[in-house]
Amino acid sequence: QSVLTQPPSVSAAPGQRVTISCSGSRSDIGNNYVSWYQQFPGTAPKLLIYDNNKRPSGIPDRFSASKSGTSATLGIAGLQTGDEAVFYCGTWDDSLGVVVFGVGTQLTVL
Amino acid sequence: EVHLEESGGGLVGPGGSLRLSCAASGFTFNDHYLDWVRQAPGRGLEWVGRSRNKGKGYTTSYAASVKGRFSISRDASWNLLYLQMDSLRTEDTAVYFCTRPSYFDSHGNSLDAYDVWGRGTMVTVSS
Repeated sequence: QSVLTQPPSVSAAPGQRVTISCSGSRSDIGNNYVSWYQQFPGTAPKLLIYDNNKRPSGIPDRFSASKSGTSATLGIAGLQTGDEAVFYCGTWDDSLGVVVFGVGTQLTVL
Repeated sequence: EVHLEESGGGLVGPGGSLRLSCAASGFTFNDHYLDWVRQAPGRGLEWVGRSRNKGKGYTTSYAASVKGRFSISRDASWNLLYLQMDSLRTEDTAVYFCTRPSYFDSHGNSLDAYDVWGRGTMVTVSS
């Protein structure tokens, strides 16, 4: 089960910017590193962000992220129809001793 | 090129067993953590367990939902990661991904960010 809270869906028009929130607690986001993933149907997730706000090589700077306390936020600027996917946040949970993910947020580009 | 490829999925009855394999290539197998993550049909991601690297003694950790039923092991001779699944339940039905958390902080602690994924293998538990 997910211990990180994400909105089930977000939407915005092409070219606009959207943010996706990820809320946790002191034992997970509050004390560990947050990563973000993008998943298209039928494919494996793709890493967008690691270490709270760093982008792996090849990820465009339209994708950005931040962390404050027990919450994290992913931002996507200059939205494209090809960005439509489900986005997950993830981190380690010190209390459970496991990696935890958010429930996922479906992005729709109108 | 870094690559992970799962195999061994299929249909099994409740209470049955299955062993998944993950073939790794393009990197030094013993230097890396390797995890299993699963995704039930239409659902989100769920972490299953971890095999740490040689430096951490190949220790393992498991999600509470699979502890005592699943076991992760490695064969370094063949660069293979295994997930032995026993006492399977219908709720174990999922695509199982092998994945590599590649980033570490300055203290050698994993950042738990998965930059390499296999394509996944489907496990169906049904009578």
